Amino acid sequence: AQSVTQLGSHVSVSEGALVLLRCNYSSSVPPYLFWYVQYPNQGLQLLLKYTTGATLVKGINGFEAEFKKSETSFHLTKPSAHMSDAAEYFCAALFRPGTYKYIFGTGTRLKVLA
Amino acid sequence: GAVVSQHPSRVICKSGTSVKIECRSLDFQATTMFWYRQFPKKSLMLMATSNEGSKATYEQGVEKDKFLINHASLTLSTLTVTSAHPEDSSFYICSAWTGNPTGELFFGEGSRLTVL
Repeated sequence: AQSVTQLGSHVSVSEGALVLLRCNYSSSVPPYLFWYVQYPNQGLQLLLKYTTGATLVKGINGFEAEFKKSETSFHLTKPSAHMSDAAEYFCAALFRPGTYKYIFGTGTRLKVLA
Repeated sequence: GAVVSQHPSRVICKSGTSVKIECRSLDFQATTMFWYRQFPKKSLMLMATSNEGSKATYEQGVEKDKFLINHASLTLSTLTVTSAHPEDSSFYICSAWTGNPTGELFFGEGSRLTVL
């Protein structure tokens, strides 16, 4: 079955440290992949997306993600964490473009320590 | 980017009453909108897909008589929680598709429903 897995429901990093949030998908056909951020009591904001083409995609707020087909992964990274990055991050996949039915990962709560 | 607005952001109601949540696309026409429910510390669960001018398509396990969805125009979809009960308390989020074939969705700010 098609699925999205986010390893680590909680991740803590020190301010200025590297942020790495993991996302893997399960599918024989690579989906479109998205990372969204959610701040408390707010909706989701798109950070970045991968559809086709360049496998390293850059998003807002200094985040980037690399699509690795061989590893079925789409991990999110940021070189230097900022306090304002503390939020919930969701990886999502669109396995059948045209249906617009996302499958979301369970989310990773990022905590940034001063 | 495209803007989707939800209203109200917070609502508290008594058990047995009905609550309506609106989802508007402010600067684009959305032929398709989606309603999600988010449980505490959980991911988003798709409840239904709303298409303008037609009946909503509900996901398995979602009571369509409990969660009434109306997509009367290209910029407005509403979710009405009928005869609300405490177990309906949750965070409800809508999203809208702009028509971009890459499938990017834009999300509303969410509505937190508390049923007493």
